[in-house]
Amino acid sequence: KAGVTQTPRYLIKTRGQQVTLSCSPISGHRSVSWYQQTPGQGLQFLFEYFSETQRNKGNFPGRFSGRQFSNSRSEMNVSTLELGDSALYLCASSLAGFGGTDTQYFGPGTRLTVL
Amino acid sequence: AQTVTQSQPEMSVQEAETVTLSCTYDTSESDYYLFWYKQPPSRQMILVIRQEAYKQQNATENRFSVNFQKAAKSFSLKISDSQLGDAAMYFCAYNEGGADGLTFGKGTHLIIQP
Repeated sequence: KAGVTQTPRYLIKTRGQQVTLSCSPISGHRSVSWYQQTPGQGLQFLFEYFSETQRNKGNFPGRFSGRQFSNSRSEMNVSTLELGDSALYLCASSLAGFGGTDTQYFGPGTRLTVL
Repeated sequence: AQTVTQSQPEMSVQEAETVTLSCTYDTSESDYYLFWYKQPPSRQMILVIRQEAYKQQNATENRFSVNFQKAAKSFSLKISDSQLGDAAMYFCAYNEGGADGLTFGKGTHLIIQP
């Protein structure tokens, strides 16, 4: 069974631009979560989607948004990019997203650099 | 808010030796889940082991085992017979179930000396 895939793997943008990252979960998984990883803040939860609905959101500004499609693929969007948005963005999928009862499998990440 | 603390930014161990990585957490909940994830240089996060708080028995997965002390809110990872492929960042993580995301510690960089 194929793992979680994320595209693109690397991205360079300039301040003020917007960016869209994509995540395809493991086949059969209906929950997708997004995390931001930076050297300073570590790994932080962005949001979780299940059946096209956002069920939970971390403490991030409204510039960070996402959506999930009927095939469970998910996209996250960051508008008006800031230098501090430079990070590794990780996507994780699970069967039903019930936290610890349901193991999250991570993708390889998208490395975003904002210049 | 729950917090997860990994007090060892870096650990080094000789190949074939045993190493223990520490993790403490803060929560007022009685039911929750704890995890150790490994992140090698490829950056792909890999689940190493998980523990349900309601289970008293410590989880084990081959050379990896945990020492779960619920009262002390401690969750350490023991790696036996360390191998070069174990070199990575190790993250301790917490979750209460539901749709909440994982809360991660800052990580421990594990170096394996040949």
